[in-house]
Amino acid sequence: DAGVIQSPRHEVTEMGQEVTLRCKPISGHDYLFWYRQTMMRGLELLIYFNNNVPIDDSGMPEDRFSAKMPNASFSTLKIQPSEPRDSAVYFCASSLQGQPQHFGDGTRLSIL
Amino acid sequence: GENVEQHPSTLSVQEGDSAVIKCTYSDSASNYFPWYKQELGKGPQLIIDIRSNVGEKKDQRIAVTLNKTAKHFSLHITETQPEDSAVYFCASDTGRRALTFGSGTRLQVQP
Repeated sequence: DAGVIQSPRHEVTEMGQEVTLRCKPISGHDYLFWYRQTMMRGLELLIYFNNNVPIDDSGMPEDRFSAKMPNASFSTLKIQPSEPRDSAVYFCASSLQGQPQHFGDGTRLSIL
Repeated sequence: GENVEQHPSTLSVQEGDSAVIKCTYSDSASNYFPWYKQELGKGPQLIIDIRSNVGEKKDQRIAVTLNKTAKHFSLHITETQPEDSAVYFCASDTGRRALTFGSGTRLQVQP
């Protein structure tokens, strides 16, 4: 079975540039989550969707971050403009109602 | 909001020994407690989970115990092997579907 697929795996860009991270959840899953992992703050939830609708975005750090889920098989997390403090590993996870979350292998983002 | 504390931050054991990682949570509404294993360059992988209506769950060499009164839960790995070396995270869910993670434990199993 294909797991959660994230792209790109690594992204290096300069401060001020727009960054778009992509996620393909496991087919049939109705929940999709975006997490960020840093040494200082650990794993923290940014936003999650249910049936393509954003349910809780209280973890989104600021207006520079936005997430969309145009259909059940695709989601994006966008940072515009990017800043060095956004450097982290970003994970996408998906699940069925009442079932465990399955994580992708993440996008390692470096903002110079 | 929910707060999950995890100890120890690092743990080194000899191959064949047992390893125990402990977590405490703050929100009494939490009802689901998964444990994830993360290897270098990979995403967290679920290894075992427990719901609040169960006190203990076992899967081969891995077991999890839950004490709802004390608000703590623990991961037990017996007969550790070098491939068990990784970072382990506990988490809790209050039913909002949002996981709150502990800070992680780096486990090293010495051959």
